[in-house]
Amino acid sequence: AQSVSQHNHHVILSEAASLELGCNYSYGGTVNLFWYVQYPGQHLQLLLKYFSGDPLVKGIKGFEAEFIKSKFSFNLRKPSVQWSDTAEYFCAFYTGRRALTFGSGTRLQVQP
Amino acid sequence: GAGVSQSPSNKVTEKGKDVELRCDPISGHTALYWYRQRLGQGLEFLIYFQGNSAPDKSGLPSDRFSAERTGESVSTLTIQRTQQEDSAVYLCASSLATGRGRSPLHFGNGTRLTVT
Repeated sequence: AQSVSQHNHHVILSEAASLELGCNYSYGGTVNLFWYVQYPGQHLQLLLKYFSGDPLVKGIKGFEAEFIKSKFSFNLRKPSVQWSDTAEYFCAFYTGRRALTFGSGTRLQVQP
Repeated sequence: GAGVSQSPSNKVTEKGKDVELRCDPISGHTALYWYRQRLGQGLEFLIYFQGNSAPDKSGLPSDRFSAERTGESVSTLTIQRTQQEDSAVYLCASSLATGRGRSPLHFGNGTRLTVT
């Protein structure tokens, strides 16, 4: 069965620290990959996406993610986090067989 | 512009009662999804509507759950004989009908259901 694993459930960082959130998926075929973010009190919104081409994709607010096919991974990174990055981050993928499959989410807390 | 609208935003119900949750997608979005998010857990796919095609109901957890959608407009998710384990935030999302999930999902704010 297709699934997404996010190993970090809760991450606490100080401002200016670097961020990397892990995401691994389980599926042998072609996938489209996404990161969604939910800021406090707001609805889920798309942060970045990968369909094909350059495996390093850049999203909004300085976030980027790298698709490593051999590791079935799509980790999210940001060189220097800000307090405003405090949110819950969800990795998701789409195989064409069913709707978007989401991971369990990572709650990021950035301390000023 | 208007986003995805869900109502009610909060619903408290007694165990055994039926509830109906409503979703108004973005105009022109032919794809509509329902997800469930239990406390501390990820988004659990429930059902997917795409235009006039038969819905993908593979995520519905039991026959107490059903959903309808009229054309490309409003959808309702009905839970019959609610149980405490049904307590969760029910999220609706819509998107344009592009292949392989290329169109991003636009989410509503969800309905927080509490079954007492």
